Order: sequence, then C-alpha cells, then structure tokens
Amino acid sequence: GESVGLHLPTLSVQEGDNSIINCAYSNSASDYFIWYKQESGKGPQFIIDIRSNMDKRQGQRVTVLLNKTVKHLSLQIAATQPGDSAVYFCAERDRGSTLGRLYFGRGTQLTVWP
Amino acid sequence: KAGVTQTPRYLIKTRGQQVTLSCSPISGHRSVSWYQQTPGQGLQFLFEYFSETQRNKGNFPGRFSGRQFSNSRSEMNVSTLELGDSALYLCASSAGQGASYGYTFGSGTRLTVV
Repeated sequence: GESVGLHLPTLSVQEGDNSIINCAYSNSASDYFIWYKQESGKGPQFIIDIRSNMDKRQGQRVTVLLNKTVKHLSLQIAATQPGDSAVYFCAERDRGSTLGRLYFGRGTQLTVWP
Repeated sequence: KAGVTQTPRYLIKTRGQQVTLSCSPISGHRSVSWYQQTPGQGLQFLFEYFSETQRNKGNFPGRFSGRQFSNSRSEMNVSTLELGDSALYLCASSAGQGASYGYTFGSGTRLTVV
C-alpha cells in the first residue's frame, strides 16, 4: 500500500554543501524506487532510479542508496546549488502490484541558501 | 522532443459541475497515468491506461473516470465536483506498461473548486 514516507519534511543547506534526503518504506515487496524533484508550478521531474537488486546508483551529482535490510532509501546531492531548491519525492513500485502504479512519499522541501 | 502536455493549466469550477482534463503523452509513449496532488494527501494514484484500456485504478470514487484514445492521448473526467477535488492533477506517460520504463510527468492542471 502507500507505505513510503520521509524522515524530514524540510531540509536547509548552504550552497556547496552536500545534501542527504531520506525516505523510509515498509513494503518489502517493492522492487523499484525513483526519486523525483518538483519545483513550484511544475510536475515531478525524474532524478534517478534504483532497482531492488542494487545498493547504490550514481548519476550526475546525485547518488541513491538503498538499504533493504532497514527499508531505507536516500538521495545524496553533491555540491548543492540554489537550483536544487525544490520538493523531493521518493516513489516505489510493488512488484506484486499491477504494473505502473507508483506510491509516493510525502516529500521533503530542500532549501539551498547562498 | 515535446514533453507531456496537459491542458488546461488552470481551471476554476463550481461545486456540482463536471470537468474534463486532457493529457498528450510523449510521442511514442503508450502508457498514461493520472495522479492527484494535494497538500494533505500528497500524490495519489488515480488510474493508468495502456493501449486504450484502463489497467489499474486507485481508491477514488466513481466520479473520477478517464479514457485513452488510439493516439494515446488521455482524458480524465470528474463529475459532480466537490470542494475537496481542488488539487493539482498530474499526468505521466511511459513508453511501456509499468514503472520500469520510467515516467515523465506533465506540469499538471490546477483545478480549483469554489
């Protein structure tokens, strides 16, 4: 079911610092996870994804870590920039569910200070 | 290539009216999903269409319906609008059926019911 949640609703960091956004999930049957970024007035934008057979995946300035033991997902943003200010959502898919349905967390508001 | 296009961007309706929202997926994408986003409930899955067939439906009343056309464009309809239907309605398209193909979201239609 809708089991994805977030540890912190807001996160403030200084420009240039690294950011870590966390996400907890309770559905052990989830096999695919996605991080989205949503800026004001826009739809969610894909950042990075990871499958359950992986522990880590890196993109440009972003890294997603998956700890299936404790059902925890995190998004690390290196050298955070003002343009990274947005709401970040994690989403999961249940391998047992009908394909295509994503369950979203409530989101974390990231604010980057100059 | 063009992204997911949702029309209209903004809509104001009165209680009891009905509304139709439109979504044009990315060219070549055959799967369209709809989500409702509210501050209180976050992103909630409405339904998913693939090849003109509804493949999955979320926990919304029957007032919410949708369809997909042969060109993959999709519409959703909400009848007998209630104040609580005020939300950002997001459409996402995917190349295939299932989240594994990745979802691209549109910017949404902001519906306000007064």
